[in-house]
Amino acid sequence: GQQVMQIPQYQHVQEGEDFTTYCNSSTTLSNIQWYKQRPGGHPVFLIQLVKSGEVKKQKRLTFQFGEAKKNSSLHITATQTTDVGTYFCAGPLSGGYQKVTFGTGTKLQVIP
Amino acid sequence: NAGVTQTPKFQVLKTGQSMTLQCAQDMNHEYMSWYRQDPGMGLRLIHYSVGAGITDQGEVPNGYNVSRSTTEDFPLRLLSAAPSQTSVYFCASRQGRYNEQFFGPGTRLTVL
Repeated sequence: GQQVMQIPQYQHVQEGEDFTTYCNSSTTLSNIQWYKQRPGGHPVFLIQLVKSGEVKKQKRLTFQFGEAKKNSSLHITATQTTDVGTYFCAGPLSGGYQKVTFGTGTKLQVIP
Repeated sequence: NAGVTQTPKFQVLKTGQSMTLQCAQDMNHEYMSWYRQDPGMGLRLIHYSVGAGITDQGEVPNGYNVSRSTTEDFPLRLLSAAPSQTSVYFCASRQGRYNEQFFGPGTRLTVL
């Protein structure tokens, strides 16, 4: 079945270092969303990408959607302790936009 | 707006017991979904609904039932709880197919 994998599963960085998480789908995605979940909290929407090759920025966060629309990345420049949490990508399952499947997530720990 | 609310926040069950997790949203969203979150496995879709009276299965529906009699409410029923259903359960809603999902605070369920 369709799978959405993320790497790495865990990442520890020193505050100020950059961080990147990658999302890979076994099938083409019509769109991809990114969510952040703080420890003990619930997922919160960050952004949605729709177009092939699309790049969007939110302050220190840069999101990319691959040309083939099968992969995506989230890059954080100069991490801060407020960036701690788990980052998920999510996309619609093939055959219907009603079902949204989430990636396995990347847990980011920032060491002050 | 309260957004998406879930009750209870915590629940402990014995194997074989049944219970209902409540979810409500006040944003008049069409789509509602139930996810379970287990360590290292991200969020997995249990059931979803695209409107009152319409529900369908997600990736891991076995052992769970849902109904959607109103736009606002989307309860999740555990028919006969098993230790494998120990998890954190999140309810989410969104306005349309391509829109961001809003998550509730979650219910942490332990089955002994």
